[in-house]
Amino acid sequence: SQQGEEDPQALSIQEGENATMNCSYKTSINNLQWYRQNSGRGLVHLILIRSNEREKHSGRLRVTLDTSKKSSSLLITASRAADTASYFCATVFQGAQKLVFGQGTRLTINP
Amino acid sequence: ETGVTQSPTHLIKTRGQQVTLRCSSQSGHNTVSWYQQALGQGPQFIFQYFREEENGRGNFPPRFSGLQFPNYSSELNVNALELDDSALYLCASSLDGYGYTFGSGTRLTVV
Repeated sequence: SQQGEEDPQALSIQEGENATMNCSYKTSINNLQWYRQNSGRGLVHLILIRSNEREKHSGRLRVTLDTSKKSSSLLITASRAADTASYFCATVFQGAQKLVFGQGTRLTINP
Repeated sequence: ETGVTQSPTHLIKTRGQQVTLRCSSQSGHNTVSWYQQALGQGPQFIFQYFREEENGRGNFPPRFSGLQFPNYSSELNVNALELDDSALYLCASSLDGYGYTFGSGTRLTVV
C-alpha cells in the first residue's frame, strides 16, 4: 500500500488565494518530497524536507513537516492559473532508497 | 546538461504481447528507477537499478524486468501484457538514490 496519503483529493480555489495540501505517512522517514504533475506527464520536483527539518521555503512554496504526527503540508501562496496541476507527496523511508507516493491532490486555480 | 528522456512517448500494444520502454538518465546520475502510474493514482515503484544491478523491487510480477547499461541508460521490459498494464510509465534517475529527476513518461495502452 502507498505510504503517503494526501488530503484533500481535489481542491478548487480562486486565483490569488492560498492553497494548502496535506500529506500523512505511516513509518519513519529519511525525507519527504513534493512533486507537481501537469496533465498526466512527468513529475517535477518541488521541494525536499529532511526528517530533522520542520519547515522549508522555496519561492511561493512553504513546506512543513511534523514527524511526531507523521504529516506534512504544502502551502502555495498567491496562486496562479499555471499552478493548476496534481501535487504528490513522496516519502523515502528509513532503510530504503525509493520514493513512495501518495494518491495526490488535484489543484484547480480558477481565473 | 540533459535531463531524463523516455521513448516512445505513446505506445499501443495487444494483450499478450511484449514491450520494451527506454530511458536515458540525466548526465552524472548512476541510479535509475521505474514507476507505474495508473490513471488517477500516484506512481507505484517497480524497481531500481544501481550500477547495472537491481537493488530494489516493488510488488510487481517477474514479467516486469529491467536492465541498466554501462552508460546508465535503462530499459523496462514487460512480457505477456495484460489490460491492467495500461498506464503511464515513468523513469527517474538520481545520483546514489538522492535528488530524483523524472522523465516525461511513456503512455502504454494495452488493448
